[in-house]
Amino acid sequence: DAGVIQSPRHEVTEMGQEVTLRCKPISGHNSLFWYRQTMMRGLELLIYFNNNVPIDDSGMPEDRFSAKMPNASFSTLKIQPSEPRDSAVYFCASSPRRGQGKTQYFGPGTRLLVL
Amino acid sequence: GENVEQHPSTLSVQEGDSAVIKCTYSDSASNYFPWYKQELGKRPQLIIDIRSNVGEKKDQRIAVTLNKTAKHFSLHITETQPEDSAVYFCAAEGNTPLVFGKGTRLSVIA
Repeated sequence: DAGVIQSPRHEVTEMGQEVTLRCKPISGHNSLFWYRQTMMRGLELLIYFNNNVPIDDSGMPEDRFSAKMPNASFSTLKIQPSEPRDSAVYFCASSPRRGQGKTQYFGPGTRLLVL
Repeated sequence: GENVEQHPSTLSVQEGDSAVIKCTYSDSASNYFPWYKQELGKRPQLIIDIRSNVGEKKDQRIAVTLNKTAKHFSLHITETQPEDSAVYFCAAEGNTPLVFGKGTRLSVIA
């Protein structure tokens, strides 16, 4: 099993540009999570999906952020327009099912720098 | 919603000594408590977890204890080694998805 796959691993962009982060969860996992990690705020849950359906997006910072999961093996997190304060490491994680004490497995993360 | 507090934020120990990291949670409905280890530049990785029907769990040099009445749980690492140096996160899940503590940076000094 390849684990959770994220791309790109690093992204440097200029303020105002659109950024798209991609995630492929572990095959057979029903739940997918997007996190943002910064020194100041730690690990924050942005949004999560169960069976491709967004369940809770209350962690999405503002309308500039959007996430989709068109099928069970692919999800995107988009920032448009990007701002310097969006610089962070973005992790995608998947689990067999949200709740019931199911372990989340993290991808390698995407390091985003917005200049 | 759930709130997880983690202490200390940094911890330095001599190689071979024990390290203890403590977390408290607020939602009595939480019933799953994993611990993750994150090395510099890497992803968080699960090292041990405990469910609410168990008070203690051990895996070699690491152990976790849970006190549901007091709503706190702890990670114990014995015989620490330099490779244990990392950031450790506790988390709690119940009616809400995993909520993480702010992390503890553990440094094991050889």
